[in-house]
Amino acid sequence: ARKVTQAQTEISVVEKEDVTLDCVYETRDTTYYLFWYKQPPSGELVFLIRRNSFDEQNEISGRYSWNFQKSTSSFNFTITASQVVDSAVYFCALGGGGNKLTFGTGTQLKVEL
Amino acid sequence: DGGITQSPKYLFRKEGQNVTLSCEQNLNHDAMYWYRQDPGQGLRLIYYSQIVNDFQKGDIAEGYSVSREKKESFPLTVTSAQKNPTAFYLCATERTTGGGEQFFGPGTRLTVL
Repeated sequence: ARKVTQAQTEISVVEKEDVTLDCVYETRDTTYYLFWYKQPPSGELVFLIRRNSFDEQNEISGRYSWNFQKSTSSFNFTITASQVVDSAVYFCALGGGGNKLTFGTGTQLKVEL
Repeated sequence: DGGITQSPKYLFRKEGQNVTLSCEQNLNHDAMYWYRQDPGQGLRLIYYSQIVNDFQKGDIAEGYSVSREKKESFPLTVTSAQKNPTAFYLCATERTTGGGEQFFGPGTRLTVL
């Protein structure tokens, strides 16, 4: 069975702090995909990244970076120099192989001035 | 504009009534999905469709029904059999099923009075 765990329910930081959102997954598939989505207060989920299980290279996109480690089944997301606009719920998800996505329960990030 | 539209944004229903939520897409994506989101929880899959005139139950299909008569449309009916229908409902599309990122609509917030 597939499972995604986001142990951090809520994180509060002050603007310009760095913050890391944790994601741990479980799957028996050898090929799979990992995703991060952002859900701002408006409610619509915004796709951030997809990572293939065969590609363990870390990725950086502006202030966002992702650390994928198969050895620990983790796919953590770091926001550098956080901003108020980063305040949202962030979901990690697991999919692939024709299967539907399995979502974690989400981490509520609050960035305050 | 390309994208996914869901209507209405807010919906109020009396207990015992059926209600249909609309989801339309012009992305020419094959697959469409319906998710339910409750406070503090991740997204749970209700139904999904990979092609026209075909759909499969997700994890929580009881009390819901769908149809896929056109590629662009995937309406969800919340029936009176759904015991706790108050939730946020999200529609998503995927170019083809399996591994690809899903794109989400703005959601419909259903409240049963």
